[in-house]
Amino acid sequence: GESVGLHLPTLSVQEGDNSIINCAYSNSASDYFIWYKQESGKGPQFIIDIRSNMDKRQGQRVTVLLNKTVKHLSLQIAATQPGDSAVYFCAENNYGQNFVFGPGTRLSVLP
Amino acid sequence: NAGVTQTPKFQVLKTGQSMTLQCAQDMNHNSMYWYRQDPGMGLRLIYYSASEGTTDKGEVPNGYNVSRLNKREFSLRLESAAPSQTSVYFCASSEGTGGYTIYFGEGSWLTVV
Repeated sequence: GESVGLHLPTLSVQEGDNSIINCAYSNSASDYFIWYKQESGKGPQFIIDIRSNMDKRQGQRVTVLLNKTVKHLSLQIAATQPGDSAVYFCAENNYGQNFVFGPGTRLSVLP
Repeated sequence: NAGVTQTPKFQVLKTGQSMTLQCAQDMNHNSMYWYRQDPGMGLRLIYYSASEGTTDKGEVPNGYNVSRLNKREFSLRLESAAPSQTSVYFCASSEGTGGYTIYFGEGSWLTVV
């Protein structure tokens, strides 16, 4: 299947380095956020989520930071690996409404 | 545990033809969704079903219809396909609407010529 997101911003990182992917969300009332990973030809895969009563949440090699003051979300990936190469996008939700999805950032891991 | 399964994976249609995309989830989720994904854009909601027996329009419903067949299955129908409907379609499900994680299927690549 043809890859979507042909004109997305790209972040290139060396294998082993840390990656930081950013997302600006639109609705100050949004209270739930998700980061997804999408590999070429596949569906979006849940990575990590965070609710608005938190500023930081950690998973396995990933950390999400939420700055409600400036409506900014970031995904940090530690020790980036070739398998991390994908498109990453954020989703925001205001309880009772439907999710709004960002267009994404393509992460390219260099050997 | 298959999660969300959608068929077909690939389809080529001629303008004016009709087709149905099938979707099933085995997570006992109440809510199901159909999204389309176009290059450089975020996922856009076509239709959703908050619970069995209900369906509602999303952001881009024109040219589509849906059926929530039962709790597991949610189909998307294109009655008269147009080139503007060339896209990747994703079915998804969640425990409920609002504040619940959405899980996606693997996608259906549709080309209308």
